[in-house]
Amino acid sequence: EVQLVESGGGLVQPGGSLRLSCAASGFTFSSYEMNWVRQAPGKGLEWVSYISSSGSTIYYADSVKGRFTISRDNAKNSLYLQMNSLRAEDTAVYYCARVVATIRAFDIWGQGTMVTVSS
Amino acid sequence: DIQLTQSPSFLSASVGDRVTITCRASQGISSYLAWYQQKPGKAPKLLIYAASTLQSGVPSRFSGSGSGTEFTLTISSLQPEDFATYYCQQLNSYPPFGQGTKLEIK
Repeated sequence: EVQLVESGGGLVQPGGSLRLSCAASGFTFSSYEMNWVRQAPGKGLEWVSYISSSGSTIYYADSVKGRFTISRDNAKNSLYLQMNSLRAEDTAVYYCARVVATIRAFDIWGQGTMVTVSS
Repeated sequence: DIQLTQSPSFLSASVGDRVTITCRASQGISSYLAWYQQKPGKAPKLLIYAASTLQSGVPSRFSGSGSGTEFTLTISSLQPEDFATYYCQQLNSYPPFGQGTKLEIK
């Protein structure tokens, strides 16, 4: 079964750090571009970051640039998001999502992991 | 950046109704537009890609059309399980998503 499973969310104080992980299974992870997308409580989807299949190309939303770092380990079939200098406005459910480049769509999503930034 | 604007933002309808949601792009994106359905507490689900191609397993009452800058998602006869929030998305550039349309029961 094709699956993405996020982990690493939790409660963190403002200014703190957290590392999210996304474990992929059931497909050739190294062949796919990946993204992180978040959703604040009661709000819409907000794209956070993109990484190419090799990891050589990376993009960030302006709201997280300089604070978040996306990475991947194709040998471990894993995607990561290192989040530093966290703010209250980073509170959200964070999803990892697979991109199918030929159709330019996110076809597989994880179940999400909740990040709460609060003192 | 390419901006996607969905209309309406909220839509109230009844079971059996035909509804249409529009997504307008700030510049042409050919046919590379996708639609997602999201229910509370769940991850988004891909419904349609390439503007009009149904993802495997999606009921045929869903359809998509359009190209360039204007696109529509149509549900031909609303079922109780269709009440959800719908998002359009393009990947010609990032960021990719529209602001969403919440479809509620009248």
